Amino acid sequence: EIVLTQSPVTLSLSPGERATLSCRASQSVSIYLSWYHQKPGQPPRLLFYDASNRASAVPARFSASGSGTDFTLTISSLEPEDFGFYYCQQRDKWPLTFGGGTKVEIK
Amino acid sequence: EVELLESGGGLVQPGGSLRLSCVASGFSLSRYWMHWVRQSPRRGLEWVTRMKSDGSIVSYADSVKGRFTVSRDNAKNTVYLQMNSLTVEDTAVYYCARDVRSDTRNYFGGSSSHWGQGALVIVSS
Repeated sequence: EIVLTQSPVTLSLSPGERATLSCRASQSVSIYLSWYHQKPGQPPRLLFYDASNRASAVPARFSASGSGTDFTLTISSLEPEDFGFYYCQQRDKWPLTFGGGTKVEIK
Repeated sequence: EVELLESGGGLVQPGGSLRLSCVASGFSLSRYWMHWVRQSPRRGLEWVTRMKSDGSIVSYADSVKGRFTVSRDNAKNTVYLQMNSLTVEDTAVYYCARDVRSDTRNYFGGSSSHWGQGALVIVSS
């Protein structure tokens, strides 16, 4: 099973600041990595799939990059609605797996 | 508008069974891989199963293999998850999810752009 390790576990930032989230895979997943945002009581929302393909209605302040084992999600300027949990997920090999998440909280 | 509506969750005793349903609207179910993903505080997000648009390919997590069965009725726009021999470890919110892109040859799905609100399953005596 491919293990995805996300860092940091918690990111404390103020609105307007830049957020950089990392996801590292235990083996190569090629480009087959997605990013999701989840708020309490809601299902995950897809942000990017296949490393850098932006999902529908995702604002331009979000960007994603990476391949192989190292991936990055960047939020250029945090908005209040961006706080919550972010998860990476690979679809290169079954079982599909998620990372443990990064909590982005208001400083 | 794409919508997924789960039903069938609830409280069940260990060893019992439940069947979850997911009614899809706003798109043609027959064109998409469909998935069930569960989430619990103890296990986090866990991909339970995936099924190809025509039902010809199905995969299960090891934790549910032999106990859970996914099926679909494209004519009824509904996906099902039959859960048998439930244990406390199966306690979670279960989400039905649609793949981000329509199915094509040599595509195995695995990114979900549309999710239901979730069905809570509690396994407890």
